[in-house]
Amino acid sequence: DAGVIQSPRHEVTEMGQEVTLRCKPISGHNSLFWYRQTMMRGLELLIYFNNNVPIDDSGMPEDRFSAKMPNASFSTLKIQPSEPRDSAVYFCASSPQGVYSYEQYFGPGTRLTVT
Amino acid sequence: AQSVAQPEDQVNVAEGNPLTVKCTYSVSGNPYLFWYVQYPNRGLQFLLKYITGDNLVKGSYGFEAEFNKSQTSFHLKKPSALVSDSALYFCAVRDYNTNAGKSTFGDGTTLTVKP
Repeated sequence: DAGVIQSPRHEVTEMGQEVTLRCKPISGHNSLFWYRQTMMRGLELLIYFNNNVPIDDSGMPEDRFSAKMPNASFSTLKIQPSEPRDSAVYFCASSPQGVYSYEQYFGPGTRLTVT
Repeated sequence: AQSVAQPEDQVNVAEGNPLTVKCTYSVSGNPYLFWYVQYPNRGLQFLLKYITGDNLVKGSYGFEAEFNKSQTSFHLKKPSALVSDSALYFCAVRDYNTNAGKSTFGDGTTLTVKP
C-alpha cells in the first residue's frame, strides 16, 4: 500500500490567494483527519470525517477554512483567502476505525507558506 | 473529555542506555492509548497501541510501553537507545466509551540520543 498520499508537498502562495490541499487516504480506511502543525501551536486537529461525513469541525480556525470528502478515496482542505498566519505543515491521516484498530496513519504533509 | 500530558519537553539519553518517555492521560471511560514518532520533515508514524489485554505492549523498532491504570500512565520505553531513535514522540488517547473517532495528542517530547 502506498500509504496516505498528500499533494502538493510544498505550496508557496501570496496572501489573499486560494489554496487547496489534497489527500488520498489508505484504501479501506473509513476515517480521515486533517491536522495543522506549527512550532507555536503544536499539532492541531482541524476536522475529521467518518465514512465521508464530517463529524467534528470544531478545530477549523475560521470560515476561511473548508474541507470536503466527496468519496472514500479523496479529501480536500481549502483556504480562501489565505493569510500569512496560515503558514504551517498540514497533515492528513486516515484510520481503519475497526475493532481494536484505531491508530492513525499520517501522510507526509504539505508545507504551506503564505507570503 | 479526554486529555494527554507529556510532562517533559525534552529527554536526553546516551546511546546504549535505557530510555523512558512519559505520558499520563485522562478519560471518562476506558482508554485506547497510542504512541507515535515523528522524524524531521516527516509525518507522524504509528509505533504501538494499548487497546486491551496485557499491560506491556511491544511495538516497532524495539519500543514498548506499559499501561498503568492506577497511575493513568502509558510510558514509552526502550532498553537500549540508538542515535537513530532521536525524534519527536507523541502520546495519544481515545476514550473507548465514545463513538467519537478522534484521538487527543500530547504536545510531544523531543528525544535526543547522544553517541
